[in-house]
Amino acid sequence: AQTVTQSQPEMSVQEAETVTLSCTYDTSESNYYLFWYKQPPSRQMILVIRQEAYKQQNATENRFSVNFQKAAKSFSLKISDSQLGDTAMYFCAFMKRRKTSGSRLTFGEGTQLTVNP
Amino acid sequence: NAGVMQNPRHLVRRRGQEARLRCSPMKGHSHVYWYRQLPEEGLKFMVYLQKENIIDESGMPKERFSAEFPKEGPSILRIQQVVRGDSAAYFCASSPPSTGAILNEQFFGPGTRLTVL
Repeated sequence: AQTVTQSQPEMSVQEAETVTLSCTYDTSESNYYLFWYKQPPSRQMILVIRQEAYKQQNATENRFSVNFQKAAKSFSLKISDSQLGDTAMYFCAFMKRRKTSGSRLTFGEGTQLTVNP
Repeated sequence: NAGVMQNPRHLVRRRGQEARLRCSPMKGHSHVYWYRQLPEEGLKFMVYLQKENIIDESGMPKERFSAEFPKEGPSILRIQQVVRGDSAAYFCASSPPSTGAILNEQFFGPGTRLTVL
């Protein structure tokens, strides 16, 4: 079974600064995906960024980037130039890669990020 | 293309009543997943269905909970004889049919918040 651990229940950052959210996971799988989801107060789950485990290059989406360390099973999210709208709960998630069927997401417990003006 | 639809958005039930939560996947999506989010926790997988088939129900409580995804119509998550501990947000996600190497991203609905009095 897979587990995902987010060790920072809460974090805060000043607007325009950079913040890094940590995530570690445990799995015996070799093919998988990792995700960061954002859940604002509206509670809608919004995909922020994804990483395929077979790709060595770290994924980047505008102000969001990841540091994927496969051997260490670490997958941190860096948010640059933080904005007030980034205030949300952030969830790290794991998914096995399957060719012929779907696969469940396994989520961490979340990190509540507050961006201060 | 409308997103994943869930209704109702809010549902209040008294202990012992039945709760029915509906999920209409995105057009063309044949895979549906249900997740539960208890207060102050991350999302936990419950069940994965394809049209007319339950693929993985390992996350669903053995009693009182059931799910279906009929050939026509929405997926239904049914909770019989609700108890206060069932109070949570229930999220549905859908994904397209498996296509080999392509990631089957899950798209989330807005969730149904169930309150049991």
